[in-house]
Amino acid sequence: AQTVTQSQPEMSVQEAETVTLSCTYDTSESDYYLFWYKQPPSRQMILVIRQEAYKQQNATENRFSVNFQKAAKSFSLKISDSQLGDAAMYFCAYLNLRLTFGEGTQLTVNP
Amino acid sequence: GAGVSQSPRYKVAKRGQDVALRCDPISGHVSLFWYQQALGQGPEFLTYFQNEAQLDKSGLPSDRFFAERPEGSVSTLKIQRTQQEDSAVYLCASSSGTGTGSPLHFGNGTRLTVT
Repeated sequence: AQTVTQSQPEMSVQEAETVTLSCTYDTSESDYYLFWYKQPPSRQMILVIRQEAYKQQNATENRFSVNFQKAAKSFSLKISDSQLGDAAMYFCAYLNLRLTFGEGTQLTVNP
Repeated sequence: GAGVSQSPRYKVAKRGQDVALRCDPISGHVSLFWYQQALGQGPEFLTYFQNEAQLDKSGLPSDRFFAERPEGSVSTLKIQRTQQEDSAVYLCASSSGTGTGSPLHFGNGTRLTVT
């Protein structure tokens, strides 16, 4: 079974600074997808960024980028120029038929 | 609608009561998922539909949990004889694909509290 591990239960960052959230996963599959979702207090899961495992190029979406290391099974999220609205719970997720989530990292942005 | 809609948003049930949670996916989305999210944890997979077919129900924690999607659109998650450990947020998600990597679009969830 696939597992996703987020080793940082909580992280904090100063507004306008950069923060990196860690994620590792375990799978025997070679073809899969990885996601980062953001969950604010409203509870809705919002897609932040998506990475296909067969692509070596790291995905980028405005201030959000990933460092995808397939051999190491690592998928970290970098948030640049952090904004107050980035404060939320962030979940790393693995998709191969079903979506498996990590435990989440609570991000606080300090003004 | 524009997004995935879930109702009710909050549900309080006394232990032993039956509850029904509704999910309206994005129109035309083939895949529909139910997840259970305990407080402070990541969502856990419950079940998956492709159109009206329930292809995977391996995540349902007990036979008290039952899900259906009879016409391939709206889905209902039913919990019989609720227990306190059933208290959680129940998230529904839909996707236009079938395991092809299409992102899941989530609803706001139903927070179930069993007293």
